[in-house]
Parts: sequence; C-alpha cells; structure tokens
Amino acid sequence: GENVEQHPSTLSVQEGDSAVIKCTYSDSASNYFPWYKQELGKGPQLIIDIRSNVGEKKDQRIAVTLNKTAKHFSLHITETQPEDSAVYFCAASIGGTSYGKLTFGQGTILTVHP
Amino acid sequence: GAVVSQHPSWVICKSGTSVKIECRSLDFQATTMFWYRQFPKQSLMLMATSNEGSKATYEQGVEKDKFLINHASLTLSTLTVTSAHPEDSSFYICSASPDRALANYGYTFGSGTRLTVV
Repeated sequence: GENVEQHPSTLSVQEGDSAVIKCTYSDSASNYFPWYKQELGKGPQLIIDIRSNVGEKKDQRIAVTLNKTAKHFSLHITETQPEDSAVYFCAASIGGTSYGKLTFGQGTILTVHP
Repeated sequence: GAVVSQHPSWVICKSGTSVKIECRSLDFQATTMFWYRQFPKQSLMLMATSNEGSKATYEQGVEKDKFLINHASLTLSTLTVTSAHPEDSSFYICSASPDRALANYGYTFGSGTRLTVV
C-alpha cells in the first residue's frame, strides 16, 4: 500500500519568514495530494491540493509543488503569521474512478513566533 | 460547499457502554464516507470506509464488531463504539467528498468527536 513520509516533524519560524514542509510517497499510482491544517481539538481543514497533471499550484501565501519523478511534494508558506501555527498533514490518494483512500503523513507542528 | 457535520463534538462514557457518533454531509450526497481515529500527537489512521446501502470495509486490525458502521442514507453515516473501554478513548473524525474521482473536489472532514471512556 501507499506510504507517505513527512518532514520535519516540528518547524519553528519567526513571523514573516517562509516555512517549507516536505513529503514523499511510495505508490506511483497516487495522483491526488492534499495538504491539511489541523488546529487543536478540530478536524483537518483542506488548505491546498494538487493533482498529478500539475507541477505547482499557488493560493495567496500558500503553494504546493509536485515532482512525480522523484515522488515528492512540498508545502510552501510565505510571510508566515502567528495564526499559521498548527499541525500540517500531507496526504496522498489515487483518484480517478472511485473514492480513493487518503494516506496521511506523520504531521508537522508549525510554530510561528511573533 | 461540501460541508461535513459531525456530532457530538465530545462525549464521556462509562466503560462497557456504547457510544454513537454521527457524520452528515450537509450540502451533497455521499455514497462513501471515511472514519478515522487519531490518538494524541499522532496522524490520522483510517478505520473504515462506509458505503451507503452496503457493509462497511474495515482496515486491517480494526474490529468490525466493536466499531459498528451504518450508512443508511446518502447523507448520514454513524459509527458506534460498542462496549467501550479506556483504550478506545481517542479523537474520531469522518470525511467525505462530493467528487468520487477527486478530480475537482477533495475530501472534507468533520470537526471530530473526542471520546473519553472512564
């Protein structure tokens, strides 16, 4: 089955700096890669996703890049703010014909210091 | 769009009792929903796939007789933790998507249910 590795496990940055979280996946058939932000005691919230027919996607301060050959994808947050502090999870799935299962990375605790 | 509602948000029950958690898709029909469990400071682990009108599919190591799933309508799936024990205490989360192929829409998660068994 799919295996998703996520690094780093913790990331501490100063407000205004950029943050980068990286994930690798094992199943070359995976073609859907979402990123979720989870605040304490809440369910994960989708912040951005990318599909394998695209190499990069950006939404304001958040961007995701995908390298299918190397089987890795990354989350980039620019101009970080204290409210970006949360746990971030990457995931991978096989979409296309039916609901594909999400396999999650281990999570990254991001702390943005004012 | 694609809102998933989960209730209750938290529940405390006595050991040996059963607890039911509801997951509803508010603005779309979901023939399939997913149930996850998350222990403190850990990632989400898929427990089972809930299929409307048919039996749920459980992941390896998940006891189907302990975690009963019912998906009786296109907008509601329920997870019942039977004969709960303290080790069942966890954060349970459901998810669904209006897009079977995930081509235009991803998965939305419920707000989660914190179960504490005493």
